[in-house]
Amino acid sequence: SQQGEEDPQALSIQEGENATMNCSYKTSINNLQWYRQNSGRGLVHLILIRSNEREKHSGRLRVTLDTSKKSSSLLITASRAADTASYFCATASALGSGANSKLTFGKGITLSVRP
Amino acid sequence: EAQVTQNPRYLITVTGKKLTVTCSQNMNHEYMSWYRQDPGLGLRQIYYSMNVEVTDKGDVPEGYKVSRKEKRNFPLILESPSPNQTSLYFCASSFRGQNYGYTFGSGTRLTVV
Repeated sequence: SQQGEEDPQALSIQEGENATMNCSYKTSINNLQWYRQNSGRGLVHLILIRSNEREKHSGRLRVTLDTSKKSSSLLITASRAADTASYFCATASALGSGANSKLTFGKGITLSVRP
Repeated sequence: EAQVTQNPRYLITVTGKKLTVTCSQNMNHEYMSWYRQDPGLGLRQIYYSMNVEVTDKGDVPEGYKVSRKEKRNFPLILESPSPNQTSLYFCASSFRGQNYGYTFGSGTRLTVV
């Protein structure tokens, strides 16, 4: 059951530019998380934003959450070639039995940062 | 170093030959989970465990078994692998479920021929 859907599916930018990725979801959430995955490797947790938060920062990352629109955005400022990876949003549902059982991941955004 | 360790990293096997993928975490996390990742389908949860001796099905549990006899270990068992279980598998753990960030293993690429 897919919850988060990222947009765009692929993004190519020049080093030094900002990268903005979006995630939309359908049902109420407790939190939303962003992960990075380098090709074929394990996912790395970047940031978690709770449903009562609107914005969060971590280094060059800025995440916003709009629960009224059921959407989130991840901004990477001053991008580097090393930021080239796939980025996933994951939602923690607030609804239903077993709701505390899992994160539901989107299909990911492929970010390419050209040197 | 805090980590989730999966073994093996790569595995090629034949249809029907039982196999186990091991997963171990050193962070004293209560929650562990298995996902599979397939092109175009994203990550799908297979099984999860909220604590020792507590396991439950995820979205795609058919053909898989798990056990959680100790807090640190959460092996994934394929009793009779089939080609449609060819995939990239990830084990993940978190302090206490979905309201905390997950730590992922490096993955196991399984091919069933």
